[in-house]
Amino acid sequence: DAGITQSPRHKVTETGTPVTLRCHQTENHRYMYWYRQDPGHGLRLIHYSYGVKDTDKGEVSDGYSVSRSKTEDFLLTLESATSSQTSVYFCAISEGSLEAFFGQGTRLTVV
Amino acid sequence: GENVEQHPSTLSVQEGDSAVIKCTYSDSASNYFPWYKQELGKGPQLIIDIRSNVGEKKDQRIAVTLNKTAKHFSLHITETQPEDSAVYFCEGNAGNMLTFGGGTRLMVKP
Repeated sequence: DAGITQSPRHKVTETGTPVTLRCHQTENHRYMYWYRQDPGHGLRLIHYSYGVKDTDKGEVSDGYSVSRSKTEDFLLTLESATSSQTSVYFCAISEGSLEAFFGQGTRLTVV
Repeated sequence: GENVEQHPSTLSVQEGDSAVIKCTYSDSASNYFPWYKQELGKGPQLIIDIRSNVGEKKDQRIAVTLNKTAKHFSLHITETQPEDSAVYFCEGNAGNMLTFGGGTRLMVKP
């Protein structure tokens, strides 16, 4: 299995609180991605990174920010969590037009 | 970015039958066409892929076919088994972004 770890695996938080999800890789892949998965919507791209400090928005970036200060870590932050951000979040890594490797997912519940 | 559409969204087959899932993409510059399988509680994993210089690729019971002119590629699973039950995703990759189809939930009935 590719060395990609998401933490935490599960989290319950209250509306309005900040939340940070972490993705850590040991593969030295250039590209890192954050997706959310909701029933009926497949995998939707939130943000992605193409290098240290290089990030860009995906199709559902509102309410989310990201940071990548090291090659191996990609953080996703919900500044003020809302119930609509209840979802399963997946991190993925790749080396351009090659296979993407996914983490195990983080189940986030905002109450 | 790339627009990727996947059909059908659900597919129910009898064990032993074949299953076909189709994906259409918009970016003619795409040159890598993978399929992923997601089992319950896990992240998607690559099961087969094809590059644009090849029309078909097989790996035991699964195959992928590519029609670059029509901009679509398909996943074929023959002799389906209950363990094939999962959600399947195709991927489009224009530039740096990876875009996935909406997913197909395949149910194989024993």
